[in-house]
Amino acid sequence: QKEVEQNSGPLSVPEGAIASLNCTYSDRGSQSFFWYRQYSGKSPELIMFIYSNGDKEDGRFTAQLNKASQYVSLLIRDSQPSDSATYLCAVYGSSNTGKLIFGQGTTLQVKP
Amino acid sequence: DTGVSQNPRHKITKRGQNVTFRCDPISEHNRLYWYRQTLGQGPEFLTYFQNEAQLEKSRLLSDRFSAERPKGSFSTLEIQRTEQGDSAMYLCASSSELAFTYEQYFGPGTRLTVT
Repeated sequence: QKEVEQNSGPLSVPEGAIASLNCTYSDRGSQSFFWYRQYSGKSPELIMFIYSNGDKEDGRFTAQLNKASQYVSLLIRDSQPSDSATYLCAVYGSSNTGKLIFGQGTTLQVKP
Repeated sequence: DTGVSQNPRHKITKRGQNVTFRCDPISEHNRLYWYRQTLGQGPEFLTYFQNEAQLEKSRLLSDRFSAERPKGSFSTLEIQRTEQGDSAMYLCASSSELAFTYEQYFGPGTRLTVT
């Protein structure tokens, strides 16, 4: 079992729709969770982080965390073609390590 | 507030040559991280520093790889006797120990091609 799992996609949504990206993790003791956006050929850009169960909203983005189910998701409302990118889920493990563990990423395509 | 910078942005080298990459973190950040990313995969952790101390190294960091951060500011990653399998994007990130979640901010990366 991979430590952080994401569906590689592509996930295709029409412009203006809600995109839902999902991530599961295996280390039950993980505390902090991050979503990065990565455009083709570019480096990852931090867009959200969450550490408490529930929802955290920032503009059109909402991160959701459920530690009991070991599940974290990212919702993008009013999706725009400029949101087309790969979204990486990342987790700090429970062993007080500096290592961020990344999923392989989900490719999102927003069609005009 | 300038972001993380990395140099060079691109490096093409022949197999067997040594290469060195540099990373300058965000100025007030005392933690610095190196990752490697290949096509279609998420970044893989290589090593990280808190100030000048190298606190963790991945098993991915073979004997041919070495990283330094001598004065707790910039860092270098050296790959000796490069192999074609070393071709990847090498990413540097930094974070502040004052940040509650130690969120990491990435530089633009150095793309290495070994021919």
